[in-house]
Amino acid sequence: EADIYQTPRYLVIGTGKKITLECSQTMGHDKMYWYQQDPGMELHLIHYSYGVNSTEKGDLSSESTVSRIRTEHFPLTLESARPSHTSQYLCASSMWRAADTQYFGPGTRLTVL
Amino acid sequence: DQQVKQNSPSLSVQEGRISILNCDYTNSMFDYFLWYKKYPAEGPTFLISISSIKDKNEDGRFTVFLNKSAKHLSLHIVPSQPGDSAVYFCAASAGGTSYGKLTFGQGTILTVHP
Repeated sequence: EADIYQTPRYLVIGTGKKITLECSQTMGHDKMYWYQQDPGMELHLIHYSYGVNSTEKGDLSSESTVSRIRTEHFPLTLESARPSHTSQYLCASSMWRAADTQYFGPGTRLTVL
Repeated sequence: DQQVKQNSPSLSVQEGRISILNCDYTNSMFDYFLWYKKYPAEGPTFLISISSIKDKNEDGRFTVFLNKSAKHLSLHIVPSQPGDSAVYFCAASAGGTSYGKLTFGQGTILTVHP
């Protein structure tokens, strides 16, 4: 069973606010990921990291930024939230192997008014 | 260009019968495939995976079949239970520059009726 946590689970916020979505894992996984999912749609990779001080943009362009200062922590920040950022944000992690299962957190449902 | 496709948005099955969920892919570089189950407002839960060197992998009630020539994989659930009702996503990854990154299908909503 994977131990990966996301907070908050739900967030309703006004336009223009700065927000940080937290993601932590206790498995010592090197690789971490952020996905965005709209209802009824596939998950899209927006950021990933292969280790401390490593961050890369994913396949879907996103105005969010990420940091990886500690192995277990991979926060996502939106400097100025907009209604178009309304979505579910899912964090995942995996071990460093050629093919490895990604384990997901419970997600953050973000609504920007 | 969608590289992983689940063409059936929904599937309805009677309890005790077999559920078959299908997935097609176009990228021949994909070499690892996974199935995830997702409930609303929760993160995906890993179910089962298969490497491209195999054509079948089984775990309890779940079996995944891979047909590389047809670029097709399927998930069989036998017997189906009401608790299996959820959205099922297939996902694929490739080596090289896409190392470890997953590409997901759109999902199939499975409803198992008692």
